[in-house]
Amino acid sequence: GENVEQHPSTLSVQEGDSAVIKCTYSDSASNYFPWYKQELGKGPQLIIDIRSNVGEKKDQRIAVTLNKTAKHFSLHITETQPEDSAVYFCAASTNFGNEKLTFGTGTRLTIIP
Amino acid sequence: SAVISQKPSRDICQRGTSLTIQCQVDSQVTMMFWYRQQPGQSLTLIATANQGSEATYESGFVIDKFPISRPNLTFSTLTVSNMSPEDSSIYLCSVQTSGYNEQFFGPGTRLTVL
Repeated sequence: GENVEQHPSTLSVQEGDSAVIKCTYSDSASNYFPWYKQELGKGPQLIIDIRSNVGEKKDQRIAVTLNKTAKHFSLHITETQPEDSAVYFCAASTNFGNEKLTFGTGTRLTIIP
Repeated sequence: SAVISQKPSRDICQRGTSLTIQCQVDSQVTMMFWYRQQPGQSLTLIATANQGSEATYESGFVIDKFPISRPNLTFSTLTVSNMSPEDSSIYLCSVQTSGYNEQFFGPGTRLTVL
């Protein structure tokens, strides 16, 4: 089955700086890669996703890049703000009728004011 | 997306008892899933809730311990049976609203077993 590794497990950045979280996956059949943000006491919130037919996707201060050859994808957050502090999870799935997500281990991001 | 609610939001239970968690969506959805998130950990899929048929369980999870119902396209329940302290976790339902993979999560049920 799919295995998703995520690094780093914790990340602290100064407000205004950029943050990068990286994930690798094992199943070459995976073709959908979402990122979730989980704030304390809440359920995960889908913040951005990318499919295997594109290499990069951007939404305001958030971007995701995908390298299918190397089987890794990354989340980039620019101009970080205190409200970006949360736990971020990457995930991977295929689109062959069983769309279950395999999650990474999570990254606790802390923005230092 | 969809508006997803879960009941209860949290509970404290005695070992050996059972708890049923409800997941309600404000629109019909194609897929519903149940996840477990142990303290400080990632999310692990328990099962896919199939409308009108038995749920599909992942390795390590069995129907006797986690019976699931999905009577229609907007509602599902997960029961945690014969609980032990190791069952203390956050239980999350998620839904897929179309055939395009996006999954949206409910707020979770925080369960503590004493």
